[in-house]
Amino acid sequence: QVQLQQWGAGLLKPSETLSLTCAVYGGSFSGYYWSWLRQPPGKGPECIGEIDHSGSTNYSPSLKSRVTISVDTSKNQFSLNLKSMTAADTAVYYCARARISMVRGVIRRLFEYWGPGTLVTVSS
Amino acid sequence: DIQMTQSPSTLSTSVGDRVTITCRASQSISNWLAWYQQKPGKAPNLLISRASSLESGVPSRFSGSGFGTEFTLTISSLQPDDFATYYCQQYNIYPYTFGQGTKLEIK
Repeated sequence: QVQLQQWGAGLLKPSETLSLTCAVYGGSFSGYYWSWLRQPPGKGPECIGEIDHSGSTNYSPSLKSRVTISVDTSKNQFSLNLKSMTAADTAVYYCARARISMVRGVIRRLFEYWGPGTLVTVSS
Repeated sequence: DIQMTQSPSTLSTSVGDRVTITCRASQSISNWLAWYQQKPGKAPNLLISRASSLESGVPSRFSGSGFGTEFTLTISSLQPDDFATYYCQQYNIYPYTFGQGTKLEIK
């Protein structure tokens, strides 16, 4: 059974950098995309970015200038750094495993396993 | 980004009711549409992929339909465990985007 465990600081001051790590237990690490999403209070989830086992990344254009996602395949872990945090970044942050569908050469990813979430609050 | 709009935002309903939730995409996404169920304090749980394909272990009272820009999630006979918030999500074009959610409340 696939399990994702995540950790990192939950309270930040404005301008600080968020750092979260997600560890994957069970299943293969290759052949999937590893994603970070967030969910502001009372809203739907939002994609932050993703990485595959080779280190290839995709980021949401709205966050691209502030986001770095990295992977450590030796530990089956991937990490999120989001710099210059503001109150607008307050949300529950999730890591997730996305399975791949390839149709006519286009790869699409579907979030099938999620971590438990980390509430991140940005406040002075 | 593709905008996903769900209706209604809240639905007051009773055990045994048939429930339909609608999701509209701002542009065609073919059938690259997923539905999730989320309970308070928990991560979303994938119910349906490719608009109508039920995930393993999901009860058959859940069904999905649609293509292009209009999609529906139907629960044929609502059970107590189904009171939750439901989200649609397009995964045709990255960044993948979610609707704002539909909360099922007990009438």
